[in-house]
Amino acid sequence: GAVVSQHPSWVICKSGTSVKIECRSLDFQATTMFWYRQFPKQSLMLMATSNEGSKATYEQGVEKDKFLINHASLTLSTLTVTSAHPEDSSFYICSARQGATANYGYTFGSGTRLTVV
Amino acid sequence: AQSVTQPDIHITVSEGASLELRCNYSYGATPYLFWYVQSPGQGLQLLLKYFSGDTLVQGIKGFEAEFKRSQSSFNLRKPSVHWSDAAEYFCAVGAAGGTSYGKLTFGQGTILTVHP
Repeated sequence: GAVVSQHPSWVICKSGTSVKIECRSLDFQATTMFWYRQFPKQSLMLMATSNEGSKATYEQGVEKDKFLINHASLTLSTLTVTSAHPEDSSFYICSARQGATANYGYTFGSGTRLTVV
Repeated sequence: AQSVTQPDIHITVSEGASLELRCNYSYGATPYLFWYVQSPGQGLQLLLKYFSGDTLVQGIKGFEAEFKRSQSSFNLRKPSVHWSDAAEYFCAVGAAGGTSYGKLTFGQGTILTVHP
């Protein structure tokens, strides 16, 4: 079956530094990837949608300069949290869509727990 | 805009008991509906989905859900819960068209605890 690998699983960084999270589709080509953020005891909130080879589309209220998304290939999307602050601490999850049509055949990564100290 | 409400934040059941998790949605037309399960610190696994057709949908791990248009509901059920079912469950709705097509909106989640 379709597998999405997300790394790292957890990361601790100092305030002011940047952190990169990778999301890879291992056995399929992902034309579209989604990035979500999940606060403790809360639901997943869509941050942005990235399409291979084009700029990401950010949801309202998400700072595009803080959360840099790159989708340079059909199997890799990265989320970089720039100048991280403690309020950016959260659980970040990516999902990838198989194929060009939006048939909701999404596969989720295992998530990244980011802690900013 | 689409939205999803899961009224129960936390449910506790005994192993072997039946389970029903509630989900209500708001959407202007027939939505695409999903149930996902998330274990602590893990990503989401799809249990089942409804696009059209038979309103009773069978999923993995013995779960099923029923789409009731008149009640705007998509409740998840399992006749006999196993201890391994303890996790958090998310209901989600996806737009069938329009500018939100392809995006999922999740409910707040229901944490399931299973007592031995």
